[in-house]
Amino acid sequence: KAGVTQTPRYLIKTRGQQVTLSCSPISGHRSVSWYQQTPGQGLQFLFEYFSETQRNKGNFPGRFSGRQFSNSRSEMNVSTLELGDSALYLCASSLRGPSSYNEQFFGPGTRLTVL
Amino acid sequence: DQQVKQNSPSLSVQEGRISILNCDYTNSMFDYFLWYKKYPAEGPTFLISISSIKDKNEDGRFTVFLNKSAKHLSLHIVPSQPGDSAVYFCAASDSGAGSYQLTFGKGTKLSVIP
Repeated sequence: KAGVTQTPRYLIKTRGQQVTLSCSPISGHRSVSWYQQTPGQGLQFLFEYFSETQRNKGNFPGRFSGRQFSNSRSEMNVSTLELGDSALYLCASSLRGPSSYNEQFFGPGTRLTVL
Repeated sequence: DQQVKQNSPSLSVQEGRISILNCDYTNSMFDYFLWYKKYPAEGPTFLISISSIKDKNEDGRFTVFLNKSAKHLSLHIVPSQPGDSAVYFCAASDSGAGSYQLTFGKGTKLSVIP
């Protein structure tokens, strides 16, 4: 079974631009979560999508948004990029069934650099 | 306010010996705990998990222990191998919250010396 895939793997943008990152979950997984990893803050939860609906959102400004499509693929968007948005963005998928525990499986991440 | 803490940023262990990684949490609503391993430039890899109804879960060389009263969990790796060298993250979730949000510690870098 293929794992979680993320595109692109690397991205360089300048301040003020916007960016869209893509995530394809493991086949059959309906929940997709996004995390930001930085050296200072570690892994921080951005948001979770399930059945095309945002279920929870972390403590990030409104510049960070996302969506999920009917095939469970997800995108996240960051508008008006700031230098501090430079990070590794990780997507994780989960079954989210009634008897499933919260085991999330991560993709390789997208390394975003804002200049 | 860090709800999941890994107080040791790094740990060095001889090959063949036991590695013990520790994690403390403050949120009493957390009821499911996971350990992930991460190599540079890769996403975290799920290792092992434990629910709050258990105090021990074992999978091969990896064992996780949970002490609910102390709000403490630990990951034991026996025997340690050089390939285990990586950053290990402890994570926790509150299944009653209806969200699959994981709260992570900041990680412990394990170095296994041949």
